[in-house]
Amino acid sequence: ETGVTQTPRHLVMGMTNKKSLKCEQHLGHNAMYWYKQSAKKPLELMFVYNFKEQTENNSVPSRFSPECPNSSHLFLHLHTLQPEDSALYLCASSQDGQGQFFGPGTRLTVL
Amino acid sequence: AQSVSQHNHHVILSEAASLELGCNYSYGGTVNLFWYVQYPGQHLQLLLKYFSGDPLVKGIKGFEAEFIKSKFSFNLRKPSVQWSDTAEYFCAVKFYNTDKLIFGTGTRLQVFP
Repeated sequence: ETGVTQTPRHLVMGMTNKKSLKCEQHLGHNAMYWYKQSAKKPLELMFVYNFKEQTENNSVPSRFSPECPNSSHLFLHLHTLQPEDSALYLCASSQDGQGQFFGPGTRLTVL
Repeated sequence: AQSVSQHNHHVILSEAASLELGCNYSYGGTVNLFWYVQYPGQHLQLLLKYFSGDPLVKGIKGFEAEFIKSKFSFNLRKPSVQWSDTAEYFCAVKFYNTDKLIFGTGTRLQVFP
């Protein structure tokens, strides 16, 4: 148990579907992050939230829409995705930049 | 542009061999440095970190890393690897006054008994 949980762990969706990824952290941290991990590429930062406010949007396409209702929960809403969006999506949290704790990820396949 | 380089993409060692994985970053300002490990089928875990002070930092499972500011490097070392060290290792850098953590491409380590 890492203190950061993600659901679902696996997701298969069509290009016209709408789905959401959920992340919850039980560590009392003030910052949460979404990353994309693709094969043979560096981990790509997508979004950063600090005290529920978005502080980074790393030029992510609008078909990915984050939501952070409170410091413990983070969502990634997905719609009209492309096959190249298939990847492992990782959530992380941290407190005052003291090193990020990662969840297990959601393995997303877009057909 | 800020970037992190890990030059060893795949390393194969026998048990008890010594390990050194390279990590270099591009930016010359104040940084926080991290090594993460991802064991097969598991999530990313923090191995060790450097913020300030002694440039030689010790982490879990016998790993250590040395920050050499003049070389913009933060190499990971272990004197004697075990089969259970088989994993992917990621170097990451947090640049001053940002929330961004920039990762290297990772090094896949395979240790054979």
